Amino acid sequence: GQQVMQIPQYQHVQEGEDFTTYCNSSTTLSNIQWYKQRPGGHPVFLIQLVKSGEVKKQKRLTFQFGEAKKNSSLHITATQTTDVGTYFCAGPHFGGSARQLTFGSGTQLTVLP
Amino acid sequence: NAGVMQNPRHLVRRRGQEARLRCSPMKGHSHVYWYRQLPEEGLKFMVYLQKENIIDESGMPKERFSAEFPKEGPSILRIQQVVRGDSAAYFCASSPPRGRGLLEQYFGPGTRLTVT
Repeated sequence: GQQVMQIPQYQHVQEGEDFTTYCNSSTTLSNIQWYKQRPGGHPVFLIQLVKSGEVKKQKRLTFQFGEAKKNSSLHITATQTTDVGTYFCAGPHFGGSARQLTFGSGTQLTVLP
Repeated sequence: NAGVMQNPRHLVRRRGQEARLRCSPMKGHSHVYWYRQLPEEGLKFMVYLQKENIIDESGMPKERFSAEFPKEGPSILRIQQVVRGDSAAYFCASSPPRGRGLLEQYFGPGTRLTVT
């Protein structure tokens, strides 16, 4: 079945350092979404990428969608303690409705002050 | 505009009891999804519903679990004869009708189910 994998599973960084999480799908995706979940909280939608090779920025966050539309990355520049949380990528469920999402396993980011 | 609402936020049940989890989607949203999240793990899709219809329940265990989204009222995820392995956070999400932009999902705060 379809798999969406993320690496690393855990990442500890010193405040001010950069952080990157990578997402890889076993199938080509029509789009990819990124969510953030704070400790004890619920997932919150960050962004959606649709086009091959697309790059989008939100302040210190940069999102990329691979040329083959099977991988994506999220890069955070100069991390802050407010960036703490788990970052999930999600793609449309293969063989299902475009609305159904398969979530990656997530990357848990810890930012040390 | 209120977000997705879930209740109860915390639920404790003894083995063998029933658990009923409720979800009210965002106003104007007609698509509801249920996910289960074990500690330190990702979100596992369970079921996707529209009003009065189950669109896909492929992620839901065949036994003891059921879901509905009636014409009136919230969506309900029902777990009968709970076991310790059902302890998890259950999240509901909703998305807007077709043709209204991105297909992102808006999540509720979740129900933390503990089975003792």
